[in-house]
Amino acid sequence: SQKIEQNSEALNIQEGKTATLTCNYTNYSPAYLQWYRQDPGRGPVFLLLIRENEKEKRKERLKVTFDTTLKQSLFHITASQPADSATYLCALDSFLGGSYIPTFGRGTSLIVHP
Amino acid sequence: SAVISQKPSRDICQRGTSLTIQCQVDSQVTMMFWYRQQPGQSLTLIATANQGSEATYESGFVIDKFPISRPNLTFSTLTVSNMSPEDSSIYLCSVLDRVGVTDTQYFGPGTRLTVL
Repeated sequence: SQKIEQNSEALNIQEGKTATLTCNYTNYSPAYLQWYRQDPGRGPVFLLLIRENEKEKRKERLKVTFDTTLKQSLFHITASQPADSATYLCALDSFLGGSYIPTFGRGTSLIVHP
Repeated sequence: SAVISQKPSRDICQRGTSLTIQCQVDSQVTMMFWYRQQPGQSLTLIATANQGSEATYESGFVIDKFPISRPNLTFSTLTVSNMSPEDSSIYLCSVLDRVGVTDTQYFGPGTRLTVL
């Protein structure tokens, strides 16, 4: 069966360091992969999308890599800040009803300490 | 990007009752989705709601328990019927918005439901 794995343990880092979150998947051949941020009691917010033919995508302090051979995506936040503390969700597309609908991992909690 | 609002933001309900959650989008969208997110779990798709057709339910979810309306391209409702404590969860409305050639999904703020 299809499976998306994100580290269930919270990642604790010091302010200013680079946070790296991992998303592994099995039995998928995704056309693209998305990363979302979710704050407590709020809906997920879209951050970045990377396509299967892209190795890396950047947006300000965010960087995503996508290795279809390893079936893995890495999500990096450079110069992390306490405001970056949140849960980060990885999502892979599933084709449904004519569009690609993301299927979500459980997310990894990031805590940035001042 | 689409802006989505949900009502109510939270509610506490008694077992056996029903709650209807409303989702309003600031633009016309074809596909709307309803998700459930239980504590510590990933988002689980309940159903896809397209205007003018019956909602399509995912495995484990049925229309009698989660009836959905989609009267127009900016609005949808999800009803959680005959509630039990196991229905306690966050319910999220979501839409697909096409950015260039890619569909990006946007979420509402969620409705936190507690069933006693």
